[in-house]
Order: sequence, then structure tokens, then C-alpha cells
Amino acid sequence: KAGVTQTPRYLIKTRGQQVTLSCSPISGHRSVSWYQQTPGQGLQFLFEYFSETQRNKGNFPGRFSGRQFSNSRSEMNVSTLELGDSALYLCASSSIGPYDTQYFGPGTRLTVL
Amino acid sequence: SQQGEEDPQALSIQEGENATMNCSYKTSINNLQWYRQNSGRGLVHLILIRSNEREKHSGRLRVTLDTSKKSSSLLITASRAADTASYFCATDGQGAQKLVFGQGTRLTINP
Repeated sequence: KAGVTQTPRYLIKTRGQQVTLSCSPISGHRSVSWYQQTPGQGLQFLFEYFSETQRNKGNFPGRFSGRQFSNSRSEMNVSTLELGDSALYLCASSSIGPYDTQYFGPGTRLTVL
Repeated sequence: SQQGEEDPQALSIQEGENATMNCSYKTSINNLQWYRQNSGRGLVHLILIRSNEREKHSGRLRVTLDTSKKSSSLLITASRAADTASYFCATDGQGAQKLVFGQGTRLTINP
């Protein structure tokens, strides 16, 4: 099976812009989770989707949003970018959710200038 | 806030030696997972141990779980240069539908 893919791998944006990141899970996986990783805060949970429904959301402002499509592919959007949004954004997929083994993608490195 | 806290934050050992990393967490869990991350890349799942298990092995990895102390340890035996990476524990926070990661242990294996 192909692994989790994320696009794009690298992104440079300026403050105030918005960005959309994409994640394609492993075939058959219905759960997709998103995480933000920064040197200061570590790995922080953003949200989790299962069968197009958001089941949980982390402690992030409303500028961070996501969605999941019927084919389980997921996107996350960050509007009005701030310098502090510079991070590695990781998505992970699994069959049933965070209780199960998570398979991570390579991440999208977002730099906000 | 972080659920899992790893100790030590950094560990440097010689190739061939064993490496032990510890993780403590705060709330009840269904399971605890360990992941490895090579410099700035995605995480790789190493092992999952359920709350009713006390020890689990996978190749050179040995994980223990003590739910009474809310702690876990990861032992890597006969370390290799390729084991150089950051190691994270993650807990599921019962019912929360999310994984909560610790800050990680940075392991360096010196040749």
C-alpha cells in the first residue's frame, strides 16, 4: 500500500495570506489527524476527522480549519497567516482513530515571512 | 499541555550500548505509543502497548508500562548509528480522539 502523502512538501507564504495543505491517507483508512510541530511547543494536535466528521479539535484559533472528503482525503486551511504559524504540519491516518497505530506523512514545512 | 513527558531530553551513547528513555503521563489511557522521528521528517510508529499490558518487545525494542505510576520506558538494545533520532511517547487521552505527544528524547548514537 502507498503511504500517507502530503502536498506540498514545502511552502513559503507572507503574513496575512492563507494556505491550504493536503493529505491523502493510506487506502482504506478513514481517520485523519493533523498535528503542528514547532521547536518551542513540540507536537500539538490540531484536529481529527473520521468519515468526513470532525471528532475533535485542539486548542488552536479559528484561523485553523480542516475538512475531509468522501474519499478520506483531508485538507487543512490556515487563514491570515502569522509568523508563529511557521511549523512542520503533519498528518496521520489510521483505520479507526488515535487509539490505533498512526501512520504519518512526511509533513509540509510552512514558512511564514 | 503535554500529556507525556520524556526523560531525558537528550541522550548520547556509544554504538552498541543500550539506550533507555522514559515517559510519564497524567491521565488514564487506553494505550501508549512510541514513535521515532528522523530530523524534521514524519514520525514512524515503533510500538503500541495497551493499558492491560506490562511489557512488549519488537526486535531490539522493549517497552514497559506501569499504569500505577503512569510511566513507560523504551529500551533500545545494541544501538546503531541509524537509531539516531528523536523518540516520542504518545497517549490517547481516553475518549478524546487524539494523541498527545511528549516533548521527545533526542538520541545520538556515536560511532
